[in-house]
Amino acid sequence: DAGITQSPRYKITETGRQVTLMCHQTWSHSYMFWYRQDLGHGLRLIYYSAAADITDKGEVPDGYVVSRSKTENFPLTLESATRSQTSVYFCASSWTISTDTQYFGPGTRLTVL
Amino acid sequence: ILNVEQSPQSLHVQEGDSTNFTCSFPSSNFYALHWYRWETAKSPEALFVMTLNGDEKKKGRISATLNTKEGYSYLYIKGSQPEDSATYLCAGGNSGGSNYKLTFGKGTLLTVNP
Repeated sequence: DAGITQSPRYKITETGRQVTLMCHQTWSHSYMFWYRQDLGHGLRLIYYSAAADITDKGEVPDGYVVSRSKTENFPLTLESATRSQTSVYFCASSWTISTDTQYFGPGTRLTVL
Repeated sequence: ILNVEQSPQSLHVQEGDSTNFTCSFPSSNFYALHWYRWETAKSPEALFVMTLNGDEKKKGRISATLNTKEGYSYLYIKGSQPEDSATYLCAGGNSGGSNYKLTFGKGTLLTVNP
């Protein structure tokens, strides 16, 4: 099916573990984004990618690593998870960085114990 | 980081009421303004993308206007229905340096009582 998917939808992990959140889109959108949603902060951009092998930091990149070897995939890795990274993570994709609609995935709820 | 502010933070209206809320953003180097509708336990869905001063967009009972000179956008909902209950997010982008990325406001939570 066409669209943008995220996996897993729910994840519980422990402090210090590495976690990877997956994002896949079928539109061949150039841009992909990772946001985190926290109470009182709204949506904050973690990283974004303009194309395969081109990534850049957003507002809150510390503690996260991204890669984009294929246009359709944009995984987000927490190298050593901390409790402050407990959040809901949304992936989005778009044709351009700001003048076209961003299409959001269903979100991944991550809990770090 | 662009400072995008939304007001009010939350709003309760009765079914049938018309309502509006505001998104404020820096007018310098304006590039784009987005509105999204975000229902609880779902993901944000796009309503409008606006780029030109004076833009007006409409989708059913929902419309939006844009004033880039003074740095604000209004979202209007005519004849609110319970299914309009959601958080309405705006996001702004400016062209300062290489910073075309969108910055989201914290949203306005609308509750429509039947």
